Amino acid sequence: DAKTTQPNSMESNEEEPVHLPCNHSTISGTDYIHWYRQLPSQGPEYVIHGLTSNVNNRMASLAIAEDRKSSTLILHRATLRDAAVYYCILGKTSYDKVIFGPGTSLSVIP
Amino acid sequence: EPEVTQTPSHQVTQMGQEVILRCVPISNHLYFYWYRQILGQKVEFLVSFYNNEISEKSEIFDDQFSVERPDGSNFTLKIRSTKLEDSAMYFCASSSGQWGNTIYFGEGSWLTVV
Repeated sequence: DAKTTQPNSMESNEEEPVHLPCNHSTISGTDYIHWYRQLPSQGPEYVIHGLTSNVNNRMASLAIAEDRKSSTLILHRATLRDAAVYYCILGKTSYDKVIFGPGTSLSVIP
Repeated sequence: EPEVTQTPSHQVTQMGQEVILRCVPISNHLYFYWYRQILGQKVEFLVSFYNNEISEKSEIFDDQFSVERPDGSNFTLKIRSTKLEDSAMYFCASSSGQWGNTIYFGEGSWLTVV
């Protein structure tokens, strides 16, 4: 299975943009890039996913490198509520389970 | 927005007792999952379920665990004889299986075995 590498932790100031990096150098052509997050004491929450093109939704943007070996989750204006562990996960186009790594723990400073 | 609901939110049980954790997945979803998270640790995959049978399970999901979809809406996880080390948050999840398999998680059931 292709693996992802993320920094253990990051800090951001409130209302500033946050760029959360993820490396996935062994990604295969059919792997989607998913981002989930887990707020304290809550279940994991889907954030965004993409295959090749950059994606935007109401929560975040996903920038995917041209060679697909890395991606960046962009939170345009961090709020205190965005403090969470963010997981970058590769998933197939089938019903394949999601396997969580350690993720990046994001702290947001008021 | 549709959501996965889980009951109970918290259960305390004595070691050796049977526990059933219940989940109502999102109504048009076809794939169902259970995960667990021991306090302070990462979320771990237990089992996936599709078309009324287990499609994949992890090595954590041993003979003391079972899953069932008893009707068209519920999805249950049974732990036959609980151990202290089963104390964890258990998350149910579901997916439509489309568009890269986005999975939606419930808020979890916190199980404490004493």
